[in-house]
This record gives sequence, structure tokens and C-alpha cells, in this order.
Amino acid sequence: ETGVTQSPTHLIKTRGQQVTLRCSSQSGHNTVSWYQQALGQGPQFIFQYYREEENGRGNFPPRFSGLQFPNYSSELNVNALELDDSALYLCASSVLPYEQYFGPGTRLTVT
Amino acid sequence: KQEVTQIPAALSVPEGENLVLNCSFTDSAIYNLQWFRQDPGKGLTSLLLIQSSQREQTSGRLNASLDKSSGRSTLYIAASQPGDSATYLCAVRGASGGSYIPTFGRGTSLIVHP
Repeated sequence: ETGVTQSPTHLIKTRGQQVTLRCSSQSGHNTVSWYQQALGQGPQFIFQYYREEENGRGNFPPRFSGLQFPNYSSELNVNALELDDSALYLCASSVLPYEQYFGPGTRLTVT
Repeated sequence: KQEVTQIPAALSVPEGENLVLNCSFTDSAIYNLQWFRQDPGKGLTSLLLIQSSQREQTSGRLNASLDKSSGRSTLYIAASQPGDSATYLCAVRGASGGSYIPTFGRGTSLIVHP
């Protein structure tokens, strides 16, 4: 059984650019959740996809969007990057609403 | 809106001590509560999951309890070791609305020195 994987590991972008982060869920899981974690903070919930439909969203603007694919892998897209978007982005997969399993994260730096 | 608070924010102890980390939440309508460990710059590792109908869960030297009515959970670490040094986070899943949205605390940063 493979775990949750994320790509890329690190990413540097310029303010105003767009970025796509990817997550591969653990086998058999139907739900993926995305989080933003700033340094010294707990993970902030961005949104959650259950069977390819968004079924929950945190307090993030519409320039944060996502997709979940039939194989339950997922993408997080962020448009018009701002300096404050610099953070560790985490995805977690689960069989809703049970235990979440996290990937290693993608470190995004916006300059 | 669910709010999760973890106390203390930081803790430094000598090896061998028994520890208690606290997690409190404002809305008792939760589905479950999960404790995680996070090493610097890394993802989260699941430690224990407690369903809302349960009172405690144990794994090795770790024991987590849940008192839903008072909005509290504790993580007990027995005989701490330097390898336990990490940030410990708790997350509650809301039970209302069917989305089971998770809310995290800010974590307790633990250092266990030899």
C-alpha cells in the first residue's frame, strides 16, 4: 500500500504567477483535503474533495482552486500569487470521515 | 466556528519525564479527534484517532483521552525520549453538515533533552 505523495517538493515562484501542486492519494481513499501551513502555525484548511466534488471550503479566496480526478489524485491551483502565499502546502487523504494520512508537503516560496 | 487551542505552546523537558499535552475545542459537535506529530518542515504523521463515542486510545507510550462534553483532549507521553522531540498537533472533525471539516490547533512544540 503506497502512502500519500506530493509534487514538487519545493517551488519558487514570482508574485502574480500561477502554480499547480499535485497530490496522489493513498490507495482506496475517496477524499483529499488541502491545507496551508505558515511557519509556526497549525495547518489551515483550504478545501476538501469527496468523490471528485468539492464538499467543504475554508476561508480562502477563489484564486485557490482544485480538482480531484477519478483515480482520486488531486491538484491545487493558485492564481495571481501573493507574497503571503509562501507556505508549506499539505494534502491529506482519507476515507471520509475517518483517519487522515498526510503527504510530505510542498514548500512554496513566492518572491 | 470551531476553534482549537493547544496548551502549552512549547515544552522542554529532560529525558524520561511523563508529559501531558492539552487540546481544547469550542464546539462539542465533533465526529472525531486526531493527534499528529510533525517534524520540522515535514508532513504530519498520525499518532492516534479517537471517535466521538470513545474515551481514550492507546498506542505504545502514547495515550489520548477525550472528554467531548468539556471540549478537551489530552495526549499523555510516557517516559519521554529525545526522539519524541517534534511539534504535536490535534485536529477535530466537525460533525455537522456532512462535510466533516477538520480544524487544527497551532500545536505544542516539544523538546526532550538527554
